[in-house]
This record gives sequence, C-alpha cells and structure tokens, in this order.
Amino acid sequence: SQTIHQWPATLVQPVGSPLSLECTVEGTSNPNLYWYRQAAGRGLQLLFYSVGIGQISSEVPQNLSASRPQDRQFILSSKKLLLSDSGFYLCAWSVQGLSTGELFFGEGSRLTVL
Amino acid sequence: GQNIDQPTEMTATEGAIVQINCTYQTSGFNGLFWYQQHAGEAPTFLSYNVLDGLEEKGRFSSFLSRSKGYSYLLLKELQMKDSASYLCAVMDSNYQLIWGAGTKLIIKP
Repeated sequence: SQTIHQWPATLVQPVGSPLSLECTVEGTSNPNLYWYRQAAGRGLQLLFYSVGIGQISSEVPQNLSASRPQDRQFILSSKKLLLSDSGFYLCAWSVQGLSTGELFFGEGSRLTVL
Repeated sequence: GQNIDQPTEMTATEGAIVQINCTYQTSGFNGLFWYQQHAGEAPTFLSYNVLDGLEEKGRFSSFLSRSKGYSYLLLKELQMKDSASYLCAVMDSNYQLIWGAGTKLIIKP
C-alpha cells in the first residue's frame, strides 16, 4: 500500500532562518507531488507541484522553493523565513496521469515563525 | 476569478442530519471533491462528483448540480467523531484544484 510521510511535524523558527521540510512517498512510482499551505480560515493554497524528477511548477511567487531530487522525495525550502510564512504545510501525492484522481496528504508540518 | 463558497461554521446534534453546501465559480469543471479534516490533521478524501446527481457512501452522500454550480455534502446519523472541517474543492479546466476555506462542523450531544 502507498504511504506518505512528511517531517518535521512541528517547528518554531526565528525570522530570517532557513527552512527545510521533507516529504517522501512509498509504494508508488512517478507520482504527482504537491506542497500546500493552509492558513487559518482560508482554503488550501497550492505552492508547488511536480510531475517528475527536477520538474517543479510554482503557483505563488514567494521566498519559498521546492526540489524533487528523487522520484518519491519532495523538499520545501527557504533561505530566509518571514513572519508570513507561518502556517500548516501539507505535502500530497496523486496518481500520475489520472487527472481526476484524489489527493493523498501527509501528516502536515506546523511552522511558527517568530 | 475563481471562487468556492461554503459556510464557515455549522452546528448540529448527535444523531441528526446536516447538509453542508458549496457553490463554485471556476474556469471549467472537471469534478468536485469533498474532504474531511480533523483539527491539526491532514485532509482525507470523502467523495468525488463529476456528473449531476447524488453519490451515496454509507452515512455520507454528496450531490452535484453543474448547471447551478452547486454541491452539498449530507451527513446522516451524526456521531461525535464527525466534528471536523469539511473542505469543498473543484478541479478546473487546467486540472488544478481550487479549494474552499472549509466548513467547521460542531456536533453537540
């Protein structure tokens, strides 16, 4: 069966510090991968998605970046965090090529920037 | 612009029935999803509608009217564990998901 894990689950970082969130998927090959951010009272905001190794599409211009160094690994990074980067970050995957497929989410990472 | 509207919060009684509405205006339509999200956890898939009508899955049902840009999620025989946020999302013509802000459902004994 397929599983998705992301870490860390919780982190508190000072403004200006770097960030790295990691997500891995097991039990499937060549998945579509996504990074979302969820702010209180707002819908899920798509940050990045990837259809393959090294292929990253950015939906929102910001100080975050994403990388996909391996087929089932997706990393969200920042060189210098802003207060506005606080939120609940979710990694997700879907079946490649199945345009109407559901999303499977990781456990989420709650980031607080102070 | 693209927009998904759903009530911010609803309250219902254990054992009762509740209907959560979702209206949408998107660039094209390739299906509508409902997800459940318990506080502090990740969303989990509940239902998918692409054709008009009612899809029933146990205590949960989801309805779609494409001509009206409208869907609802119907929860029957409410249980305390149904207390959660319910997210409506529409897949647009580019196969991108547009998400509503979610409806927080509070179940009272």
